[in-house]
Amino acid sequence: DGGITQSPKYLFRKEGQNVTLSCEQNLNHDAMYWYRQDPGQGLRLIYYSQIVNDFQKGDIAEGYSVSREKKESFPLTVTSAQKNPTAFYLCASSIGDRLATGELFFGEGSRLTVL
Amino acid sequence: AQSVTQLDSHVSVSEGTPVLLRCNYSSSYSPSLFWYVQHPNKGLQLLLKYTSAATLVKGINGFEAEFKKSETSFHLTKPSAHMSDAAEYFCVVRTSGGYNKLIFGAGTRLAVHP
Repeated sequence: DGGITQSPKYLFRKEGQNVTLSCEQNLNHDAMYWYRQDPGQGLRLIYYSQIVNDFQKGDIAEGYSVSREKKESFPLTVTSAQKNPTAFYLCASSIGDRLATGELFFGEGSRLTVL
Repeated sequence: AQSVTQLDSHVSVSEGTPVLLRCNYSSSYSPSLFWYVQHPNKGLQLLLKYTSAATLVKGINGFEAEFKKSETSFHLTKPSAHMSDAAEYFCVVRTSGGYNKLIFGAGTRLAVHP
């Protein structure tokens, strides 16, 4: 089955540690996205990538980093510089770039808790 | 600037009764609007979309939404709620211009009681 796989589903981190969240898709989509979800708020865009080896900052990129070395993979690193990293992180992909259809395909998310 | 406001953070209905989830948008251009659904601890799934064709849009699972330009609204409705409809629903507007971006509302949590 085609889809987006995020791992781990749950992750605990001590303050000062970097953590990397994995996102893999087998939909052959060009564009991939990382969103952050906090209770009572809509999704906020962290980073996006329209093509391999290229990515751009979203609205809340500070304290995060990404890479896009393969079309299928778009890992997100939450660095120690992120002041409030506890959140639900969602990876998504879309056909083509620039959200022409507005349809995103989402993974099931990774819940990060900082202890 | 484009924005979207979901007027209710929580809605509670009985099974078999109608569902109404309200959404207002602000856009300088003719907008593209979407509704997504998120079940607990899951990713989001597209329910339906409006992209300047018919103003009444039908989606999956019996949901539909009506685009009303005069009211700047895009409310989501369903004639009869089912227990499986309990989830969080997000109204989304797509910005236009140099780069297309999706702006998500804060979400409405729908509870369905037997």
